Amino acid sequence: IAGITQAPTSQILAAGRRMTLRCTQDMRHNAMYWYRQDLGLGLRLIHYSNTAGTTGKGEVPDGYSVSRANTDDFPLTLASAVPSQTSVYFCASSDRGGSYNEQFFGPGTRLTVL
Amino acid sequence: AQTVTQSQPEMSVQEAETVTLSCTYDTSESDYYLFWYKQPPSRQMILVIRQEAYKQQNATENRFSVNFQKAAKSFSLKISDSQLGDAAMYFCAYRINFGNEKLTFGTGTRLTIIP
Repeated sequence: IAGITQAPTSQILAAGRRMTLRCTQDMRHNAMYWYRQDLGLGLRLIHYSNTAGTTGKGEVPDGYSVSRANTDDFPLTLASAVPSQTSVYFCASSDRGGSYNEQFFGPGTRLTVL
Repeated sequence: AQTVTQSQPEMSVQEAETVTLSCTYDTSESDYYLFWYKQPPSRQMILVIRQEAYKQQNATENRFSVNFQKAAKSFSLKISDSQLGDAAMYFCAYRINFGNEKLTFGTGTRLTIIP
């Protein structure tokens, strides 16, 4: 089934641990994004990638890093998790240059940092 | 910086009635897109409707329509004949038409449908 997959679905993590959230899309979209969703704050952009090999910082990038080695994968890494990174994380992708450039979202990862 | 404001944290509507969700935004750009996303309890983000800023005609998708007032920077969503399946969080979002196409979201409105 075409779309975006994220793994894991949920995770409980001890503070200070390293964690990588995985995101894979099979739509050959050139742009990918990571958002975090917090109650009362909506979704906020963490990092983005307009095309394979390039990345950029979003609104709340501190404590997170990303890489884009190929078109399909866009992992998000928390080098040393802190409780304030407890959130639901959404990966999204879009076909820049296509009509409307709609962003398609993955199912999300619920991360709890204790 | 662009901002999106949803001033109604919660709304409720009787089944089969009509409800309007409000959204205002602030931007200095003239060419942009506006979106309404639905997030049901499943957590999946679903695009409901979109509006191009250069189009004066309001977008419509079945029971969903928008009232786009560009000068007032207002973008409300009207849901007609509300159904139980419409219960969800609704997010208004904005992005410019060119360059970095990141979405800026509002804080959301939780819609409850009363049977």
